Amino acid sequence: AQSVAQPEDQVNVAEGNPLTVKCTYSVSGNPYLFWYVQYPNRGLQFLLKYITGDNLVKGSYGFEAEFNKSQTSFHLKKPSALVSDSALYFCAVRFLYGGSQGNLIFGKGTKLSVKP
Amino acid sequence: ETGVTQSPTHLIKTRGQQVTLRCSSQSGHNTVSWYQQALGQGPQFIFQYYREEENGRGNFPPRFSGLQFPNYSSELNVNALELDDSALYLCASSRPPAYEQYFGPGTRLTVT
Repeated sequence: AQSVAQPEDQVNVAEGNPLTVKCTYSVSGNPYLFWYVQYPNRGLQFLLKYITGDNLVKGSYGFEAEFNKSQTSFHLKKPSALVSDSALYFCAVRFLYGGSQGNLIFGKGTKLSVKP
Repeated sequence: ETGVTQSPTHLIKTRGQQVTLRCSSQSGHNTVSWYQQALGQGPQFIFQYYREEENGRGNFPPRFSGLQFPNYSSELNVNALELDDSALYLCASSRPPAYEQYFGPGTRLTVT
């Protein structure tokens, strides 16, 4: 079965420090991976995706993610965190087969808190 | 902000009632997916509509149904509401072959 895991419920970072939000996945075949961010009382905003190609993917708002096939991971990173980055972050993998083909399986989310 | 809109923003219903939620997709997007996000959880896929037909469904009972209209807008209908249906319902639009989906702000449904 396809699945996504976000092992940390919360990540705390000081403003200006680098941040990492972890994600691991389990799929058969090549994964299509995504990161979304959710601010309070808002829908999900697309940050970036990995489909194929370079393992380092750059996205919106200075975020990037590194795809590691051997470790089945797709960690979200940012070199210098901002207080405004504080939000809920979701990793997702695309269904590759079955009745839900084309749609997304989400992790439980990681709350990022950036303190001044 | 995406161009996906949803209505209403909030809704309170009583157990056993029926509810209809609405979604307008982003301009140029012909595919709409619906997700349920329970408190503290990630979104779960309900179903997807493409060209007015349901073409994918997650693990949700038949009392969850939907429609897509010729302008690609969509409705989610839930019959015989249960307390566990209380959640944020998210609509997402996309245009294959692009893989990313763009989400609306959601409708918060509370069932009492």
